[in-house]
Amino acid sequence: DTEVTQTPKHLVMGMTNKKSLKCEQHMGHRAMYWYKQKAKKPPELMFVYSYEKLSINESVPSRFSPECPNSSLLNLHLHALQPEDSALYLCASSLTRGQAADTQYFGPGTRLTVL
Amino acid sequence: GNSVTQMEGPVTLSEEAFLTINCTYTATGYPSLFWYVQYPGEGLQLLLKATKADDKGSNKGFEATYRKETTSFHLEKGSVQVSDSAVYFCALTPYSGGYQKVTFGTGTKLQVIP
Repeated sequence: DTEVTQTPKHLVMGMTNKKSLKCEQHMGHRAMYWYKQKAKKPPELMFVYSYEKLSINESVPSRFSPECPNSSLLNLHLHALQPEDSALYLCASSLTRGQAADTQYFGPGTRLTVL
Repeated sequence: GNSVTQMEGPVTLSEEAFLTINCTYTATGYPSLFWYVQYPGEGLQLLLKATKADDKGSNKGFEATYRKETTSFHLEKGSVQVSDSAVYFCALTPYSGGYQKVTFGTGTKLQVIP
């Protein structure tokens, strides 16, 4: 099973709202990632968690706040977003060691619209 | 730094035509190479991968061979179907082990017409 699940599938929020995106995997992967994808562009890395600790923050604005409560779950908390933050948010996971450690498996994404 | 260059799209083909999407890369050492596919309105799916020179990745009739001498990983399929219409991303990771920063190409949109 190579499934990464994400909820919700679609989200519409105002600029003053607080919302959260959720990502889950049960493949025993210990690295999890958040990406942002704008239309007709490749995904852009936002955050990397390794063993539930934040390892990489690609200079993402503080209105995006990641959280990794356990090895299977990754959240992205959203607050005071701007319309330009509207995008597809993708979660991914990978092993952290071994022959297959280089392969990231992606979820279906959350389509976010900020009004 | 690392980079991936893909052919510009969109690529429009008739059903049952032969497909080639070109991909070349720049990286130090021996990266792992991937093709991901993104169907309309969906996330990325791993299509195939290769981790060392001369490896051939294959899946669902698609193939790509890791060519170290030409730093290429071209995607091919002998007979495309309408259901293959999607955006295809070539990508690399610089090494195995630990967490990875994936370098993606810009994506190539494929349209297959009946």
